[in-house]
Amino acid sequence: AQKVTQAQTEISVVEKEDVTLDCVYETRDTTYYLFWYKQPPSGELVFLIRRNSFDEQNEISGRYSWNFQKSTSSFNFTITASQVVDSAVYFCALRSQGAQKLVFGQGTRLTINP
Amino acid sequence: DAGITQSPRYKITETGRQVTLMCHQTWSHSYMFWYRQDLGHGLRLIYYSAAADITDKGEVPDGYVVSRSKTENFPLTLESATRSQTSVYFCASSENAGQPQHFGDGTRLSIL
Repeated sequence: AQKVTQAQTEISVVEKEDVTLDCVYETRDTTYYLFWYKQPPSGELVFLIRRNSFDEQNEISGRYSWNFQKSTSSFNFTITASQVVDSAVYFCALRSQGAQKLVFGQGTRLTINP
Repeated sequence: DAGITQSPRYKITETGRQVTLMCHQTWSHSYMFWYRQDLGHGLRLIYYSAAADITDKGEVPDGYVVSRSKTENFPLTLESATRSQTSVYFCASSENAGQPQHFGDGTRLSIL
């Protein structure tokens, strides 16, 4: 069975603070893909990043960075120097090779206060 | 512009009515999906399609019907709407399993 757990339901920080969103996944497959999506207050789902199971390199994109660790089945997302525009619900998701279903975590609601 | 579009954005209807939500993508992606998003349940897969004329059930297919006669379109029909189907519906597409799914803007459906 596949499962994604985002234990942090809500996080609230002050602007310019760094914040890390946790994601832990479960799968028995050896080939799989991990994703992060952002859902701002306007409601659309925006793709942020994809990682495959064979690529454990961390990635940095501007203020965003992702830490993928197979040993702990985690794919955490860090926002550095947060801004009010980062306020959104963030979803972590898992999809196994050959599986059609994208399994989502429950999401973390991030609020950045000015 | 290329992308994935859903229509309508908002819909209010009554129980027992048939309603169809439209989804259109211009990328020629093979895979298309329908999800519903509800508080407390996150995003759940209703149906998906691997190619034209190929569809399959997801987690919560009951009460829904899909078709895919053309690669670019994947309509979702509620044959006899019930209040429990009040939700936000998202359509998505992807090239294959390894590629990200790109989502439409969603349809907010209210069943009275």
